[in-house]
Amino acid sequence: EAGVAQSPRYKIIEKRQSVAFWCNPISGHATLYWYQQILGQGPKLLIQFQNNGVVDDSQLPKDRFSAERLKGVDSTLKIQPAKLEDSAVYLCASSSRVSLAGLIGTQYFGPGTRLLVL
Amino acid sequence: DQQVKQNSPSLSVQEGRISILNCDYTNSMFDYFLWYKKYPAEGPTFLISISSIKDKNEDGRFTVFLNKSAKHLSLHIVPSQPGDSAVYFCAAIEGGQNFVFGPGTRLSVLP
Repeated sequence: EAGVAQSPRYKIIEKRQSVAFWCNPISGHATLYWYQQILGQGPKLLIQFQNNGVVDDSQLPKDRFSAERLKGVDSTLKIQPAKLEDSAVYLCASSSRVSLAGLIGTQYFGPGTRLLVL
Repeated sequence: DQQVKQNSPSLSVQEGRISILNCDYTNSMFDYFLWYKKYPAEGPTFLISISSIKDKNEDGRFTVFLNKSAKHLSLHIVPSQPGDSAVYFCAAIEGGQNFVFGPGTRLSVLP
């Protein structure tokens, strides 16, 4: 079974530029997550999709960050314009099921995209 | 406000001994807890989980204990192996959403 794919693996940009990250989840996984992990901290959930609908984007800085999941499969996360504090690893994860009964599908993480904003 | 805390940034343990990683949370609405392991330059890997209706879950060398009244959970690894050296994240979930990760604890297992 192929894992979660992310690209690019590394990106260096200058502040005020734009950048986009791509994620391809595990086939058949309905739920997709984007996390931001700043050095020395745990991953912070930015947005959660269920198929192509947004379940939770309460921590997404919507003035500069946007994400979409067209057709409920691949997803892109965009930052426009980037700030110095956006330097982090951006992790994508997918899971097969999430239910209010507490039967949480295990999240499978991709390798992440390391972003450096100069 | 950190809802999930891992107060030990690092831990060193001798090979073969027990490793105990601790996690505290503040949100009593969390109903599911997970532990992840992360190696450098890789994404986190799921280790073990526990529902809030249980107080213990075991999987091979890994056991997670949950004390709801104290809002505390711990991960026990026994016996510890050098390959267990990694950063361990505790995570909590509320109602299938609101995933919150702790800051992580770096475990070093010394041969």
